[in-house]
Amino acid sequence: SQTIHQWPATLVQPVGSPLSLECTVEGTSNPNLYWYRQAAGRGLQLLFYSVGIGQISSEVPQNLSASRPQDRQFILSSKKLLLSDSGFYLCAWSGGVGLDTQYFGPGTRLTVL
Amino acid sequence: AQSVTQLGSHVSVSEGALVLLRCNYSSSVPPYLFWYVQYPNQGLQLLLKYTSAATLVKGINGFEAEFKKSETSFHLTKPSAHMSDAAEYFCAVSGDTDKLIFGTGTRLQVFP
Repeated sequence: SQTIHQWPATLVQPVGSPLSLECTVEGTSNPNLYWYRQAAGRGLQLLFYSVGIGQISSEVPQNLSASRPQDRQFILSSKKLLLSDSGFYLCAWSGGVGLDTQYFGPGTRLTVL
Repeated sequence: AQSVTQLGSHVSVSEGALVLLRCNYSSSVPPYLFWYVQYPNQGLQLLLKYTSAATLVKGINGFEAEFKKSETSFHLTKPSAHMSDAAEYFCAVSGDTDKLIFGTGTRLQVFP
Protein backbone atom coordinates (compact mmCIF):
# COMPACT_ATOMS: atom_id res chain seq x y z
CA SER A 1 0.00 0.00 0.00
CA GLN A 2 1.00 3.60 -0.49
CA THR A 3 2.07 5.90 2.32
CA ILE A 4 3.09 9.53 2.40
CA HIS A 5 5.40 11.07 4.98
CA GLN A 6 6.12 14.66 5.88
CA TRP A 7 8.69 16.11 8.22
CA PRO A 8 9.10 17.83 10.42
CA ALA A 9 5.66 17.70 12.01
CA THR A 10 6.06 21.12 13.61
CA LEU A 11 8.55 23.90 13.10
CA VAL A 12 9.10 27.30 14.69
CA GLN A 13 11.43 29.58 12.74
CA PRO A 14 12.46 33.23 13.01
CA VAL A 15 11.70 35.70 10.25
CA GLY A 16 14.46 35.72 7.67
CA SER A 17 15.61 32.16 8.30
CA PRO A 18 15.65 29.45 5.59
CA LEU A 19 13.11 26.64 5.29
CA SER A 20 13.14 23.10 4.04
CA LEU A 21 10.13 20.80 4.32
CA GLU A 22 10.30 17.29 2.96
CA CYS A 23 7.67 14.95 1.61
CA THR A 24 8.22 11.36 0.50
CA VAL A 25 5.85 8.79 -0.94
CA GLU A 26 6.22 5.02 -0.69
CA GLY A 27 4.55 2.22 -2.60
CA THR A 28 4.00 3.96 -5.93
CA SER A 29 6.08 5.22 -8.82
CA ASN A 30 5.90 8.39 -10.90
CA PRO A 31 3.22 10.03 -8.77
CA ASN A 32 1.96 13.56 -9.25
CA LEU A 33 3.02 15.52 -6.16
CA TYR A 34 1.46 18.63 -4.66
CA TRP A 35 2.23 21.21 -1.97
CA TYR A 36 -0.66 23.06 -0.33
CA ARG A 37 -0.77 25.70 2.36
CA GLN A 38 -3.66 25.98 4.75
CA ALA A 39 -3.96 29.30 6.56
CA ALA A 40 -6.52 29.76 9.30
CA GLY A 41 -10.01 30.16 7.85
CA ARG A 42 -8.80 30.21 4.25
CA GLY A 43 -9.07 26.64 3.03
CA LEU A 44 -6.35 25.00 0.98
CA GLN A 45 -4.16 26.93 -1.42
CA LEU A 46 -2.24 24.95 -4.03
CA LEU A 47 1.36 26.18 -4.07
CA PHE A 48 3.22 23.80 -6.40
CA TYR A 49 2.67 20.59 -8.28
CA SER A 50 4.98 18.22 -10.09
CA VAL A 51 4.33 15.55 -12.69
CA GLY A 52 7.89 14.23 -12.73
CA ILE A 53 11.50 14.66 -11.57
CA GLY A 54 12.63 18.23 -12.03
CA GLN A 55 9.21 19.34 -13.32
CA ILE A 56 7.67 21.97 -11.06
CA SER A 57 4.68 24.20 -11.71
CA SER A 58 4.07 27.17 -9.46
CA GLU A 59 0.51 28.24 -8.82
CA VAL A 60 1.09 31.36 -6.77
CA PRO A 61 4.05 33.75 -6.98
CA GLN A 62 5.54 33.98 -3.51
CA ASN A 63 8.50 33.54 -1.22
CA LEU A 64 8.64 29.77 -1.61
CA SER A 65 10.10 27.31 -4.08
CA ALA A 66 9.80 23.58 -4.65
CA SER A 67 12.05 20.87 -5.99
CA ARG A 68 11.69 17.22 -6.90
CA PRO A 69 15.14 15.65 -6.81
CA GLN A 70 13.85 12.08 -6.86
CA ASP A 71 10.72 10.40 -8.18
CA ARG A 72 9.03 10.15 -4.79
CA GLN A 73 10.56 13.12 -2.98
CA PHE A 74 9.15 16.65 -2.98
CA ILE A 75 10.80 19.51 -1.10
CA LEU A 76 9.42 22.92 -0.21
CA SER A 77 11.99 25.64 0.47
CA SER A 78 12.49 29.26 1.24
CA LYS A 79 15.65 31.34 1.50
CA LYS A 80 14.13 33.89 3.89
CA LEU A 81 10.89 33.26 5.74
CA LEU A 82 8.24 35.94 6.18
CA LEU A 83 5.62 36.15 8.92
CA SER A 84 2.99 35.47 6.26
CA ASP A 85 4.56 32.07 5.55
CA SER A 86 3.11 30.69 8.78
CA GLY A 87 0.54 27.97 8.23
CA PHE A 88 -0.12 24.28 7.88
CA TYR A 89 1.66 22.77 4.89
CA LEU A 90 0.26 19.68 3.29
CA CYS A 91 1.84 17.42 0.71
CA ALA A 92 -0.33 15.19 -1.46
CA TRP A 93 0.13 12.63 -4.21
CA SER A 94 -2.05 11.23 -6.95
CA GLY A 95 -1.69 8.41 -9.41
CA GLY A 96 -0.99 10.89 -12.17
CA VAL A 97 -3.61 9.44 -14.50
CA GLY A 98 -5.68 12.60 -14.78
CA LEU A 99 -8.59 13.33 -12.44
CA ASP A 100 -7.36 10.79 -9.92
CA THR A 101 -7.81 11.08 -6.17
CA GLN A 102 -5.25 13.02 -4.16
CA TYR A 103 -3.97 11.49 -0.92
CA PHE A 104 -2.60 13.74 1.76
CA GLY A 105 0.27 13.54 4.21
CA PRO A 106 -0.01 14.41 7.91
CA GLY A 107 1.15 17.99 7.40
CA THR A 108 3.75 20.36 8.88
CA ARG A 109 2.74 23.19 11.20
CA LEU A 110 5.06 26.14 10.51
CA THR A 111 5.14 29.14 12.81
CA VAL A 112 7.28 32.10 11.80
CA LEU A 113 8.06 34.50 14.65
CA ALA B 1 -12.59 26.70 -14.97
CA GLN B 2 -13.86 25.02 -11.84
CA SER B 3 -14.95 26.41 -8.50
CA VAL B 4 -16.56 25.19 -5.30
CA THR B 5 -18.75 26.97 -2.79
CA GLN B 6 -19.41 25.52 0.64
CA LEU B 7 -22.38 27.19 2.29
CA GLY B 8 -21.86 27.66 6.00
CA SER B 9 -18.41 27.81 7.52
CA HIS B 10 -19.76 26.33 10.76
CA VAL B 11 -22.50 23.76 11.29
CA SER B 12 -23.65 22.54 14.71
CA VAL B 13 -25.81 19.48 15.33
CA SER B 14 -26.79 17.36 18.27
CA GLU B 15 -25.54 13.81 18.57
CA GLY B 16 -27.94 11.56 16.70
CA ALA B 17 -29.24 14.34 14.44
CA LEU B 18 -28.96 14.53 10.67
CA VAL B 19 -25.77 16.02 9.28
CA LEU B 20 -26.07 18.09 6.08
CA LEU B 21 -23.05 19.90 4.68
CA ARG B 22 -23.65 21.85 1.49
CA CYS B 23 -21.45 22.08 -1.57
CA ASN B 24 -22.16 23.69 -4.92
CA TYR B 25 -19.76 23.50 -7.82
CA SER B 26 -19.10 25.15 -11.12
CA SER B 27 -17.40 23.31 -13.94
CA SER B 28 -17.22 23.70 -17.70
CA VAL B 29 -16.66 19.96 -18.13
CA PRO B 30 -18.19 16.94 -16.41
CA PRO B 31 -16.69 17.15 -12.93
CA TYR B 32 -15.20 14.73 -10.51
CA LEU B 33 -16.25 15.70 -6.98
CA PHE B 34 -14.71 14.83 -3.64
CA TRP B 35 -15.37 15.22 0.06
CA TYR B 36 -12.46 15.17 2.47
CA VAL B 37 -12.42 15.30 6.27
CA GLN B 38 -9.70 16.89 8.40
CA TYR B 39 -9.29 16.29 12.12
CA PRO B 40 -7.29 18.86 14.13
CA ASN B 41 -3.64 19.07 13.15
CA GLN B 42 -3.93 16.20 10.68
CA GLY B 43 -3.94 15.81 6.93
CA LEU B 44 -7.04 15.39 4.81
CA GLN B 45 -8.70 12.01 4.54
CA LEU B 46 -10.89 11.06 1.60
CA LEU B 47 -14.51 10.46 2.59
CA LEU B 48 -15.96 9.76 -0.85
CA LYS B 49 -15.76 10.71 -4.50
CA TYR B 50 -18.07 11.00 -7.48
CA THR B 51 -16.65 9.98 -10.83
CA SER B 52 -19.70 9.95 -13.13
CA ALA B 53 -20.98 6.53 -12.14
CA ALA B 54 -23.84 6.33 -9.61
CA THR B 55 -25.14 9.73 -8.52
CA LEU B 56 -25.51 8.60 -4.90
CA VAL B 57 -22.08 7.93 -3.51
CA LYS B 58 -21.47 6.13 -0.24
CA GLY B 59 -18.31 6.81 1.70
CA ILE B 60 -16.62 5.92 4.92
CA ASN B 61 -17.98 6.50 8.42
CA GLY B 62 -21.61 6.36 7.24
CA PHE B 63 -21.42 9.46 5.03
CA GLU B 64 -22.95 9.74 1.61
CA ALA B 65 -23.37 12.44 -1.02
CA GLU B 66 -25.67 12.89 -3.98
CA PHE B 67 -24.61 14.44 -7.26
CA LYS B 68 -27.37 16.66 -8.68
CA LYS B 69 -26.40 18.08 -12.03
CA SER B 70 -29.49 20.27 -12.32
CA GLU B 71 -28.65 21.95 -9.03
CA THR B 72 -24.83 21.76 -9.47
CA SER B 73 -24.71 20.39 -5.96
CA PHE B 74 -22.90 17.62 -4.11
CA HIS B 75 -24.17 17.83 -0.54
CA LEU B 76 -22.77 15.54 2.15
CA THR B 77 -25.14 13.82 4.57
CA LYS B 78 -25.13 11.40 7.47
CA PRO B 79 -28.36 10.20 9.09
CA SER B 80 -27.09 10.25 12.67
CA ALA B 81 -24.18 12.34 13.92
CA HIS B 82 -21.59 10.93 16.31
CA MET B 83 -19.29 12.94 18.53
CA SER B 84 -16.38 11.56 16.53
CA ASP B 85 -17.70 13.30 13.40
CA ALA B 86 -16.60 16.68 14.74
CA ALA B 87 -14.02 17.89 12.22
CA GLU B 88 -13.59 20.16 9.22
CA TYR B 89 -15.00 19.01 5.91
CA PHE B 90 -13.82 20.08 2.48
CA CYS B 91 -15.55 19.72 -0.84
CA ALA B 92 -13.37 19.68 -3.96
CA VAL B 93 -13.82 19.54 -7.72
CA SER B 94 -11.56 18.55 -10.58
CA GLY B 95 -12.33 18.82 -14.23
CA ASP B 96 -9.95 19.02 -17.11
CA THR B 97 -6.70 19.02 -15.12
CA ASP B 98 -5.08 16.96 -12.38
CA LYS B 99 -5.61 19.78 -9.93
CA LEU B 100 -8.26 19.86 -7.24
CA ILE B 101 -10.11 23.06 -6.41
CA PHE B 102 -11.15 23.11 -2.77
CA GLY B 103 -13.92 24.93 -0.98
CA THR B 104 -13.13 26.95 2.13
CA GLY B 105 -14.34 24.20 4.42
CA THR B 106 -17.16 23.65 6.91
CA ARG B 107 -16.43 23.02 10.56
CA LEU B 108 -18.86 20.53 12.05
CA GLN B 109 -19.54 20.62 15.78
CA VAL B 110 -21.49 17.82 17.46
CA PHE B 111 -23.11 18.46 20.82
CA PRO B 112 -24.07 15.71 23.27
